[in-house]
Amino acid sequence: GAGVSQTPSNKVTEKGKYVELRCDPISGHTALYWYRQSLGQGPEFLIYFQGTGAADDSGLPNDRFFAVRPEGSVSTLKIQRTERGDSAVYLCASSPGGLHEQYFGPGTRLTVT
Amino acid sequence: TQLLEQSPQFLSIQEGENLTVYCNSSSVFSSLQWYRQEPGEGPVLLVTVVTGGEVKKLKRLTFQFGDARKDSSLHITAAQPGDTGLYLCAGRGGVSGGYQKVTFGTGTKLQVIP
Repeated sequence: GAGVSQTPSNKVTEKGKYVELRCDPISGHTALYWYRQSLGQGPEFLIYFQGTGAADDSGLPNDRFFAVRPEGSVSTLKIQRTERGDSAVYLCASSPGGLHEQYFGPGTRLTVT
Repeated sequence: TQLLEQSPQFLSIQEGENLTVYCNSSSVFSSLQWYRQEPGEGPVLLVTVVTGGEVKKLKRLTFQFGDARKDSSLHITAAQPGDTGLYLCAGRGGVSGGYQKVTFGTGTKLQVIP
């Protein structure tokens, strides 16, 4: 079956612009996670959804970052007033529930110039 | 902030050699996972260890969870070029979050030269 998909695969934007990154989880998975990964480093937790609600958003670095999952399936990570330091690969993962294995998408590489 | 420190950060070895990667933390985790990640892809889960002192084997890979559930190791026997990748440990259920929150280590980049 289809895995986790993320679009776009690459995004280049100018400093100060707004971007949206999309995640399509595996069908039926109730849990969805967003991570940010810098080159050669481990992923850094951003936010976790259980269904439609954000169960843990403690990893969001500041109020420029926001994520939604309005129907409990697709999720969008939104970044306002992008900064060069936001450049990274943004990974999405889904799982059947909070205690199960997470399946990762290929990520969106965001570059802020 | 919880940190999972991995060592070494980089490792380049010849095919057929053995190696060990370490993952250490000052925090206790309910479980610890190991992932492998290849360029342009997301991490893929290799194993989950839950009990202090637990040892799991996956073909040529041996994983161990420390008795105090603060550290873990990954040992690869007779490394092959296909083992090349970024190895990540990850802890679940640490003090700063629920079981759902996963804290990843700093990563070990392994290169196996044919």
